[in-house]
Amino acid sequence: QKEVEQDPGPLSVPEGAIVSLNCTYSNSAFQYFMWYRQYSRKGPELLMYTYSSGNKEDGRFTAQVDKSSKYISLFIRDSQPSDSATYLCAFTQGGSEKLVFGKGTKLTVNP
Amino acid sequence: KAGVTQTPRYLIKTRGQQVTLSCSPISGHRSVSWYQQTPGQGLQFLFEYFSETQRNKGNFPGRFSGRQFSNSRSEMNVSTLELGDSALYLCASSPDRAPYEQYFGPGTRLTVT
Repeated sequence: QKEVEQDPGPLSVPEGAIVSLNCTYSNSAFQYFMWYRQYSRKGPELLMYTYSSGNKEDGRFTAQVDKSSKYISLFIRDSQPSDSATYLCAFTQGGSEKLVFGKGTKLTVNP
Repeated sequence: KAGVTQTPRYLIKTRGQQVTLSCSPISGHRSVSWYQQTPGQGLQFLFEYFSETQRNKGNFPGRFSGRQFSNSRSEMNVSTLELGDSALYLCASSPDRAPYEQYFGPGTRLTVT
């Protein structure tokens, strides 16, 4: 079983749509859950991170963690063409600085 | 604050050669991590340095090595390059108070021919 699974997409949505991106994980030791955004030919940019189960909101972005199901989600409201990028989930045990990444989901928001 | 910087941005090398990549972390960050990104494997952890000491290492062969200097700048070296080493090499730094909060540089695109 892979440590992290993320649907690679690609995902194409119209501007203004609500986008849902998901990852599952198998390692119960993961304590921090991150979402990164990566534009073409750029390094990943940290969007949000959470520690506990539940929701965390930041503007149009909401991160959701369900530790019991080992499932995390990122919701993007009112999606914009500028949101077009690859979204990567990442996990770490907390005591280690090693991040374990999903393969990324490529999102295109069409005007 | 200036972000993480990496040099060079692009590099073309021949099989068998060696290469050194450089990373300057965000000011005040003492932890520097290196990752390899390829289309097939995604982002994979190489190693992490803190105050000139390697604290963590991923599952890469010994041809991949790194070091960190007293000013927290870091270098990674790949010896005896193979075609499969072609990748985007990313460096990330994090603050002491939140080591999981990693900020990435733009990466060095290495092509091995």
